[in-house]
Amino acid sequence: GAVVSQHPSWVICKSGTSVKIECRSLDFQATTMFWYRQFPKQSLMLMATSNEGSKATYEQGVEKDKFLINHASLTLSTLTVTSAHPEDSSFYICSASLAGGQETQYFGPGTRLLVL
Amino acid sequence: AQTVTQSQPEMSVQEAETVTLSCTYDTSESDYYLFWYKQPPSRQMILVIRQEAYKQQNATENRFSVNFQKAAKSFSLKISDSQLGDAAMYFCAYEEYEGGSEKLVFGKGTKLTVNP
Repeated sequence: GAVVSQHPSWVICKSGTSVKIECRSLDFQATTMFWYRQFPKQSLMLMATSNEGSKATYEQGVEKDKFLINHASLTLSTLTVTSAHPEDSSFYICSASLAGGQETQYFGPGTRLLVL
Repeated sequence: AQTVTQSQPEMSVQEAETVTLSCTYDTSESDYYLFWYKQPPSRQMILVIRQEAYKQQNATENRFSVNFQKAAKSFSLKISDSQLGDAAMYFCAYEEYEGGSEKLVFGKGTKLTVNP
């Protein structure tokens, strides 16, 4: 149980285009989803917390207009990287918490983004 | 914000032997959760074990166990009978509540190598 999927698993795009990454909880409802960024050989950096039906809460230093997050249902959150640039190239990982106050986060397999 | 420190950037162990990974954290809270996550080369984050601070008993999951010392704010992971598949980055994480939702604070990770 507690499976989280991400799509796509990797994407290459041209500078200036937008890329959407989907995060789905497959066998549970997630009131809260999280988006992380991980640089090579580094730890995970939280970008934003997404609650179903409300606006996402962004961490300090993360541009809200750059990284658009939508959490329209209890099983789906999306991250859109707008006007992507090479410096946005990274590994993006989502996670989800079970509804009902469970504290464990279950992670998706991640999405590798390369902006040319 | 809380901090999590993993003082061992790299560790190695012989197959079938036991290894302990260290983690310390800083908090003024009395009730919280601690986690160990594993990230193999696939980069999928996998929950290894979870500890609730109000429980005095150390958590155990098969070959994985923790030594939770609340007063010392220490949370080490012991891997018994190490297997080749245990080779991965291991991240210690503390869960804090901020802005009405939980957030994971990760350590920098320990790279575990298992030698045959």
